[in-house]
Amino acid sequence: GQQLNQSPQSMFIQEGEDVSMNCTSSSIFNTWLWYKQDPGEGPVLLIALYKAGELTSNGRLTAQFGITRKDSFLNISASIPSDVGIYFCAGVMKTSYDKVIFGPGTSLSVIP
Amino acid sequence: GAGVSQSPSNKVTEKGKDVELRCDPISGHTALYWYRQSLGQGLEFLIYFQGNSAPDKSGLPSDRFSAERTGESVSTLTIQRTQQEDSAVYLCASSLSGVETQYFGPGTRLLVL
Repeated sequence: GQQLNQSPQSMFIQEGEDVSMNCTSSSIFNTWLWYKQDPGEGPVLLIALYKAGELTSNGRLTAQFGITRKDSFLNISASIPSDVGIYFCAGVMKTSYDKVIFGPGTSLSVIP
Repeated sequence: GAGVSQSPSNKVTEKGKDVELRCDPISGHTALYWYRQSLGQGLEFLIYFQGNSAPDKSGLPSDRFSAERTGESVSTLTIQRTQQEDSAVYLCASSLSGVETQYFGPGTRLLVL
């Protein structure tokens, strides 16, 4: 079945550093989504990407929809302690309904 | 409340017992999704409801798992004869229009001893 790979699996960075993580798949997706999950909470949508090559920003976050439609990356600039959490990518396939596949997540730790 | 709520927040049960997990979606949201998140893993799709019908049950791991939704509102996920490998966080999400607009609940943490 469809599977997403995320890298790195975990990151430990200093506050103020930039972060880059990516998501790859052998399948083509129509939409890419990036979520953040805080401990004990459900994931919250950060950015949605709808078009191959699209580059979208949300504050300090920037994400891109890969040209091949099989990958996406997320950058976080000038990290702060509240960026700590697990970041999930998700690919959406348009069938008779929207089928979403989640990646395994990247765990981010920010050292003050 | 304004968001998706789930109950119980935590559930500890013995192997072989049945459990029911409840999801209250955001009012008016016609789409409802159940996911399972095992420790350190991503979200595994279980089932999707559009209104009260379930177009896709393909993610349910076995016939011990079932779900229903009534009144285009509350949904219940039932796990019969629980096994230790069922231990996970079960997340519910609801959406008005499209999966990219789904809002997640806080989850139910299930531990099967």
